[in-house]
Amino acid sequence: GAGVSQSPRYKVAKRGQDVALRCDPISGHVSLFWYQQALGQGPEFLTYFQNEAQLDKSGLPSDRFFAERPEGSVSTLKIQRTQQEDSAVYLCASSWGFSHTGELFFGEGSRLTVL
Amino acid sequence: AQKITQTQPGMFVQEKEAVTLDCTYDTSDQSYGLFWYKQPSSGEMIFLIYQGSYDEQNATEGRYSLNFQKARKSANLVISASQLGDSAMYFCASSSGSARQLTFGSGTQLTVLP
Repeated sequence: GAGVSQSPRYKVAKRGQDVALRCDPISGHVSLFWYQQALGQGPEFLTYFQNEAQLDKSGLPSDRFFAERPEGSVSTLKIQRTQQEDSAVYLCASSWGFSHTGELFFGEGSRLTVL
Repeated sequence: AQKITQTQPGMFVQEKEAVTLDCTYDTSDQSYGLFWYKQPSSGEMIFLIYQGSYDEQNATEGRYSLNFQKARKSANLVISASQLGDSAMYFCASSSGSARQLTFGSGTQLTVLP
């Protein structure tokens, strides 16, 4: 597809379950970001990849959160032992280059609800 | 660290009128970028406009313009000739050479009235 694709769009998990959220960036985009957006708030940075290298994971809220991008394209955000406070929309974004001036292209997000 | 402040949780504007959405930023970096994104109810973040810290002229993109006042650290978005389809959440964001990720404000919910 032409844009950033995320799946699933909606996920309901019972507390304690593990979930995996997938992001398929625009082909050829080097940079990939994950953001967490709580209801009524702005997105907050989780982690950043440049190709397959995870250069910044300072925003991951706990060691239950793990992200990977093994071949420098598709990325997966995994949340282990989900808790209610993990309920949010998880946004993936990608861009062509490394510069902070580059436009980010966002996916539609994966809405996670933890019961 | 960067911080973005949007002090207007909600704004109303009459169709065809202009509206200004406020944004102030705080950064210690000399080189930085300022962005505005629109988020309709569908959830996707749509890029509107970008301003670089060294750009001397205000950025414009169609009906969108960014009123950049560096000394005041403000980057207000001006939407001219509002349309019903402009109703959405608007986020101001910044990035800098020391942090590639965007830092977002809390957003302003714009409602355009017919």
